[in-house]
Amino acid sequence: GAGVSQSPRYKVAKRGQDVALRCDPISGHVSLFWYQQALGQGPEFLTYFQNEAQLDKSGLPSDRFFAERPEGSVSTLKIQRTQQEDSAVYLCASSLLATEAFFGQGTRLTVV
Amino acid sequence: TQLLEQSPQFLSIQEGENLTVYCNSSSVFSSLQWYRQEPGEGPVLLVTVVTGGEVKKLKRLTFQFGDARKDSSLHITAAQPGDTGLYLCAGANNFNKFYFGSGTKLNVKP
Repeated sequence: GAGVSQSPRYKVAKRGQDVALRCDPISGHVSLFWYQQALGQGPEFLTYFQNEAQLDKSGLPSDRFFAERPEGSVSTLKIQRTQQEDSAVYLCASSLLATEAFFGQGTRLTVV
Repeated sequence: TQLLEQSPQFLSIQEGENLTVYCNSSSVFSSLQWYRQEPGEGPVLLVTVVTGGEVKKLKRLTFQFGDARKDSSLHITAAQPGDTGLYLCAGANNFNKFYFGSGTKLNVKP
């Protein structure tokens, strides 16, 4: 596709509910990143894939967070038993070269 | 813990003024990017700098990468209301991991 696409744009979840956030990277981009952004802050790294391999998941805040990219293209970030502190914008980025990343519009998750 | 520190955090200026935003770190990066983000949108890449001491110009925006590749600056000449937004710097290490600063929120008043 022309750019990184994320869905849904907005998600309201009740506390304790599981959610799944989808990212369609730019076609051909090997690297895929997930970031979490709190209001007024810079994005915080969650996890990184190179093709289907998850090379770094050091930023995932708890074992309730899980990400996958089974065929090396589309990725899903899953959050189980959502808590209020999970409320944030979740950004996906893809990269062909190590020098720059292109971001989607993000998914704004609100846990009530 | 923020690897990259940006200053100032907030900047409110009048249209036509000049400004500089700083991005500092104790770490060396293989490249550094500047992004601008508007409310409700993802960050949009403005520029990538790779070589220590490199200067890049994008219309009224001038980007500089420090000689030691640890810091960078963004200078805007004659700011316009359309420049309003959150400016983010991000450093990439050799393992393709991008670290972001906390951002500088710029407001340009007409």
